[in-house]
This record gives sequence, C-alpha cells and structure tokens, in this order.
Amino acid sequence: DQQVKQNSPSLSVQEGRISILNCDYTNSMFDYFLWYKKYPAEGPTFLISISSIKDKNEDGRFTVFLNKSAKHLSLHIVPSQPGDSAVYFCAAIYAGGTSYGKLTFGQGTILTVHP
Amino acid sequence: DARVTQTPRHKVTEMGQEVTMRCQPILGHNTVFWYRQTMMQGLELLAYFRNRAPLDDSGMPKDRFSAEMPDATLATLKIQPSEPRDSAVYFCASGLVLQGPNTEAFFGQGTRLTVV
Repeated sequence: DQQVKQNSPSLSVQEGRISILNCDYTNSMFDYFLWYKKYPAEGPTFLISISSIKDKNEDGRFTVFLNKSAKHLSLHIVPSQPGDSAVYFCAAIYAGGTSYGKLTFGQGTILTVHP
Repeated sequence: DARVTQTPRHKVTEMGQEVTMRCQPILGHNTVFWYRQTMMQGLELLAYFRNRAPLDDSGMPKDRFSAEMPDATLATLKIQPSEPRDSAVYFCASGLVLQGPNTEAFFGQGTRLTVV
C-alpha cells in the first residue's frame, strides 16, 4: 500500500527552465512533508519541508506547494541547473497514533537537467 | 561533522548466509530508521526506533529480518538466511523527534548488499 506516490518516474528539463516534481498522498494523518535529493552512491539529503498548516514554503530556488484538499504537493525548482540532476524523493510524517513520527517515502523521480 | 555511519558499505554474500548491517546514528538523535531502496517501491521503510524501542517493523519480512538497538550508538539489521531477492541498498537514518513529529532525518551512505 503506497501511501506516498510519485507517479512520474522521470523528468527531463532544459537548464534555466522550471522543474516541477509532483507527489500525492492518501493518508490524512500526515502532518509534515519533506523533499529529499539523492545522488548516485550517496544517501538522500534533506532539501525542503512544509507543515500541513502552510500551503507554500520557499528556500532559494526551491519552493514546495501543498494542497491539502487534493492531498498533493509539488516541488518547483527555478531556474533548474545541471547540478540539480538527481533522484528526488517526496516524504511524509505521521502526526499521531502508534506511528507518530513515522517517515514514509515515495518511489522517487529522476530529474535530468540538460545544459 | 555529525553524520550517520553505516558499515559495511558493500557486502557480497552467498544465499543462505547471515548478513548483519550496522548503523551509528548521530549522537543525541532519538529516532532511527531502516530503509531499503528498490526500483519499484523507492525507499521502503523496514523498521524504526524511538529511544531504542521498536515502534514499527511492519515493513520487514519477519521470518528472516530482525532489527535491534543494543545501545544508543548502534542499530543493527540482520538477515538470516539471506536470499537473492534481498539484494538492494539498505539505508539507516536518524533524527531528533521532540514535542512534534516534524524532523528531518539524516541518512547514512547505505550498505549495498548483493546475495548470490
């Protein structure tokens, strides 16, 4: 049961343009959402997060949008750079119950930024 | 420079052998996660601990996998017996969960396991 879904396995973008990565979730108990970036042969590294009480969070070139009613979030990268080429994982954290603090990931999207 | 340390980085073993992967979480972190990276499932949560107590290991095949935290500086993931389908990259991550669940988790570099 995939509760966090990234339906696009890959995305290809031209340098300088916007990259939009999407993520859907099914569990309304998720309270906090994160994006991680992963390069080959390395562990994922934290990129940006957003609380369920907000609909937008911005950090430099990276902006995360949250639409709670649609159970959807997206990561925008503007402008995209070749160094952004990596696998991007969406993740969500449970707010309550016995799974408090449980961090659940999606399948990942491979982003390729062409020079 | 605080980091999560995983050993070994690579492991090749024969089917049926026992495999033990180790993780040293960041000092002071109270939550430890074990993930397996697969093509289909992405980062699949196997188990996680808070203050060394297991909270959820529902993602782990119980008949062959086990996860423990003998002390606050060591988490282990054991597979016995190992099978070729266990071949994957296994990640450990740690974080600090206080009053709210909102924490970023810091990942180790992973253990690449190959079972032949």
